[in-house]
Amino acid sequence: EAGVVQSPRYKIIEKKQPVAFWCNPISGHNTLYWYLQNLGQGPELLIRYENEEAVDDSQLPKDRFSAERLKGVDSTLKIQPAELGDSAVYLCASSRDRGTGELFFGEGSRLTVL
Amino acid sequence: LAKITQPISMDSYEGQEVNITCSHNNIATNDYITWYQQFPSQGPRFIIQGYKTKVTNEVASLFIPADRKSSTLSLPRVSLSDTAVYYCLVPPAGNTPLVFGKGTRLSVIA
Repeated sequence: EAGVVQSPRYKIIEKKQPVAFWCNPISGHNTLYWYLQNLGQGPELLIRYENEEAVDDSQLPKDRFSAERLKGVDSTLKIQPAELGDSAVYLCASSRDRGTGELFFGEGSRLTVL
Repeated sequence: LAKITQPISMDSYEGQEVNITCSHNNIATNDYITWYQQFPSQGPRFIIQGYKTKVTNEVASLFIPADRKSSTLSLPRVSLSDTAVYYCLVPPAGNTPLVFGKGTRLSVIA
């Protein structure tokens, strides 16, 4: 069974540029998460989807961050414009449902903003 | 949410048993205790979950006392490849998302 796939693995951009990250969850997993991880810190939730509906986006900085999961499968996280402080690893995870406590994470997309 | 406390870091030699204790004093009756492992440049990986007493799988054992206010993750005979960050989490019953703390950074030395 394929795991959670994320791309790109690495991205370097200059500040004020846009960037987008893509995630394909494990087949059959209805719940999809985007987490942000700063160096030396644990992952922090940005947004959670149940199928195509965003059910928890309270931690998403909506002035510059947006996300979508149009058909309830893969998802895109966008930052526009990027700031220096956005440099981090963006992790996507999926789970079969919201109650198992077991999330499957991708390898992450490391963003460097110069 | 249960308040989690675990050591920031631990060192161990290869071949030793490592025990990482996590305290979660205000754990709710229906909450499970879950541990994740994260290697450098990878996402966290679920390793074990338990409710009470002892749970064992091919990776680790989880010991939970009767009052459930703490838990201990036990890694038998660690190797260099066990160097990672270990997160203790107590997700609210029947609900994700998971809230991660800083975890415990385990360094295994040859």
